[in-house]
Amino acid sequence: SQTIHQWPATLVQPVGSPLSLECTVEGTSNPNLYWYRQAAGRGLQLLFYSVGIGQISSEVPQNLSASRPQDRQFILSSKKLLLSDSGFYLCAWSRYTNTGELFFGEGSRLTVL
Amino acid sequence: AQSVTQLGSHVSVSEGALVLLRCNYSSSVPPYLFWYVQYPNQGLQLLLKYTSAATLVKGINGFEAEFKKSETSFHLTKPSAHMSDAAEYFCAVSPVGGGSQGNLIFGKGTKLSVKP
Repeated sequence: SQTIHQWPATLVQPVGSPLSLECTVEGTSNPNLYWYRQAAGRGLQLLFYSVGIGQISSEVPQNLSASRPQDRQFILSSKKLLLSDSGFYLCAWSRYTNTGELFFGEGSRLTVL
Repeated sequence: AQSVTQLGSHVSVSEGALVLLRCNYSSSVPPYLFWYVQYPNQGLQLLLKYTSAATLVKGINGFEAEFKKSETSFHLTKPSAHMSDAAEYFCAVSPVGGGSQGNLIFGKGTKLSVKP
């Protein structure tokens, strides 16, 4: 069966520090991968998605970036965090050409102070 | 463009009462529709999905939803609420066929509270 894991689960970082959140999927190959953010009262915001290694599409301009160095690994990064980057980050995957169903990771809570 | 509207950001029911969470979609063609549930500090879990088969879809934890094309609705119901149903619920729509990206469009969510 397929599983998705992301870490760390919680993170407290000072403004201006770097960020790295990691997500891995097991039990499938060539998944579509996604990073979402949940900020209080703002629902789910799609940040990045990837349909293959090295292929990243950005949905929202910001100081975050994403990379996909391996087929089942998706990384969310920032060189300098802002207060507004605080939120709950969710990684998800889907199968290529399917109904669009997403499978989510456990989430990472980021607090920028 | 497709969109999803969830009526009511907060819904409160008594334990044992009917749960009704409303979702309306906008789409030029019948889409695929989903309900997800999110417990505090956890990821989203799929409750049920409509993919153009039966219009009444049964999901996990006793939830079900009915696709009504004439009303462009996909409301989520449960006959009897349980304390463990307290969570946030998200309705989502996908382009027919998923598309190469398989992107889902989410509603803003409805927080369900269950009173003892």
